[in-house]
Amino acid sequence: QSVLTQPPSVSAAPGQKVTISCSGSSSNIGNNYVSWYQQLPGTAPKLLIYEDNKRPSGIPDRFSGSKSGTSATLGITGLQTGDEADYYCGSWDSSLPAVVFGTGTKVTV
Amino acid sequence: QVHLVQSGSELKKPGASVKISCKASGYTFSTYPMNWVRQAPGQGLEWMGWINTNTGNPTYAQGFTGRFVFFLDTSVSTAYLQISSLKAEDTAVYYCVRDLGGYCGSSSCYGAAPPGNWFDPWGQGTLVTVSS
Repeated sequence: QSVLTQPPSVSAAPGQKVTISCSGSSSNIGNNYVSWYQQLPGTAPKLLIYEDNKRPSGIPDRFSGSKSGTSATLGITGLQTGDEADYYCGSWDSSLPAVVFGTGTKVTV
Repeated sequence: QVHLVQSGSELKKPGASVKISCKASGYTFSTYPMNWVRQAPGQGLEWMGWINTNTGNPTYAQGFTGRFVFFLDTSVSTAYLQISSLKAEDTAVYYCVRDLGGYCGSSSCYGAAPPGNWFDPWGQGTLVTVSS
């Protein structure tokens, strides 16, 4: 059972913006970094954001990450049909201890 | 370019064993820890643990002790996941993933920073189906 909670789905028109929330606790998001992954249908997850708000090389600046307290947010601007995917947040949980992932959010464009 | 290439899909009967390989290229294999993540059909991601690619010492997440074994063949830059006494509930896609947030020394790969900050790249995944 995931300890990080995400909305099951979000949707917006092409060119618009969506935000995906990831809610946790002080044992994970509140005191550890958050990363975000994109999983296109039938493929492996791909890193979008690490250490709360950093983008790996090659990830467009349409993707952004932020964190406040025990919640984190992934923003996607200029939505494209190619952005349709499942998105997962991840963090270390110091109390378990384990890497924990969010419940996943399906983005529909 | 950095790549992790995993072995192909497996169909196994309950009680059998399976070995999944994850071959790394494009970087020094022993530098970064290799993690394993499971994804059951239609479900989310579940972290299984990691292996120190310098020493071969594995660390297993809760729920993945006993039947799950991580090991290496550093001569061919390959990490392995072996699962024994397979059950139907082991049916899943298994991913290997490099953690750039760690650095493997003689004791551990993680100092101040814990696992999971920087999982990149991921292998393409190996589907294991357990069915009689």
